[in-house]
Amino acid sequence: KNEVEQSPQNLTAQEGEFITINCSYSVGISALHWLQQHPGGGIVSLFMLSSGKKKHGRLIATINIQEKHSSLHITASHPRDSAVYICAVRPGNQFYFGTGTSLTVIP
Amino acid sequence: DGGITQSPKYLFRKEGQNVTLSCEQNLNHDAMYWYRQDPGQGLRLIYYSQIVNDFQKGDIAEGYSVSREKKESFPLTVTSAQKNPTAFYLCASSISAGAGEKLFFGSGTQLSVL
Repeated sequence: KNEVEQSPQNLTAQEGEFITINCSYSVGISALHWLQQHPGGGIVSLFMLSSGKKKHGRLIATINIQEKHSSLHITASHPRDSAVYICAVRPGNQFYFGTGTSLTVIP
Repeated sequence: DGGITQSPKYLFRKEGQNVTLSCEQNLNHDAMYWYRQDPGQGLRLIYYSQIVNDFQKGDIAEGYSVSREKKESFPLTVTSAQKNPTAFYLCASSISAGAGEKLFFGSGTQLSVL
């Protein structure tokens, strides 16, 4: 049983397209994280959300705590956005991670 | 700049050998974590530590050991008891503050078996 489910697993888009990645979770949380992992492996944190919406450049993240669902949107996608996007939640002392969405943006 | 430093980037282990992965942070975070990442799978927790001189097993602790003698250091030893150690290992730290929690990762260590 996965506490965190992401969809889609893989996504290919043309440059400029609007992209949505979804994350659903089954545990009670106070915050959710969206992370980005580039080839080479290092992971960086994009957003920490506890409610509503956050925007950073072309990235927008939303969360609905009642429905236990979050989305990550990328507007005007670019090849440099190609990466694995991971959502993570922490109901207690541990973080639980989705398996990630592998995004490829084609020029 | 503050961050997490993992070393080495690549590590090779011979059969029967113990190897130690280094993780150092200068973020002053209390909580530190070790994760294993296998292709196509999510991050799996090996060990975590909420405070110096204390740590807890995660979901896949067998064949691994850790220590937390200093706040900034959380080394992971992959022992010979870990029969399938080839994986990408990530160290992380977190802190909960007024504006929410922050989560940082190191750049990872790829461990392979010779």
